[in-house]
Amino acid sequence: EPEVTQTPSHQVTQMGQEVILRCVPISNHLYFYWYRQILGQKVEFLVSFYNNEISEKSEIFDDQFSVERPDGSNFTLKIRSTKLEDSAMYFCASSDGKDYTGELFFGEGSRLTVL
Amino acid sequence: AQSVTQLDSHVSVSEGTPVLLRCNYSSSYSPSLFWYVQHPNKGLQLLLKYTSAATLVKGINGFEAEFKKSETSFHLTKPSAHMSDAAEYFCVVRELYNFNKFYFGSGTKLNVKP
Repeated sequence: EPEVTQTPSHQVTQMGQEVILRCVPISNHLYFYWYRQILGQKVEFLVSFYNNEISEKSEIFDDQFSVERPDGSNFTLKIRSTKLEDSAMYFCASSDGKDYTGELFFGEGSRLTVL
Repeated sequence: AQSVTQLDSHVSVSEGTPVLLRCNYSSSYSPSLFWYVQHPNKGLQLLLKYTSAATLVKGINGFEAEFKKSETSFHLTKPSAHMSDAAEYFCVVRELYNFNKFYFGSGTKLNVKP
């Protein structure tokens, strides 16, 4: 069964450092997403991406964040200068975008710890 | 705009007893509705989905959900809880006309007592 893969599974970084989280969405999917979940809290939408551009972003997704699809298979989330409050599990997801009935397929997540 | 309300943040049941996790949505149109499960330190896995076909939807692991348009509800049920059902459950709504957007409920943590 096709799946969304994410790397790394866990990253520890110092405050102020740049972090790149990588995702490989399902190959024929058209919509890509990043969500985050702070420990013990709900799943929060960060950004959606379609046709090589951001289609929607939340207020969390400020100038410190960026997304890219550099090579047609990877979908990356970059945090330019990490803060303590960026510590969370980050989930990548994709959907086929054919119509409104398709579900989101999630990766296993990348746990980011900012010290 | 859509919204999703999961009425209980925590539900505790005994093993072998029924499970009911409640979800209400607001929508001008009939949306697609999903239930996802998240086990500790894991990603979100689809349990079941409603997409305007049968209103009673069966999912994996014995779960089912019933779409009730008159009540704008999509409650998740299971006749008999198992210890392995202990997890967090998320109700998700997808818009009909802007199907780029998914709306998440705040989640319900299910605890199953032996």
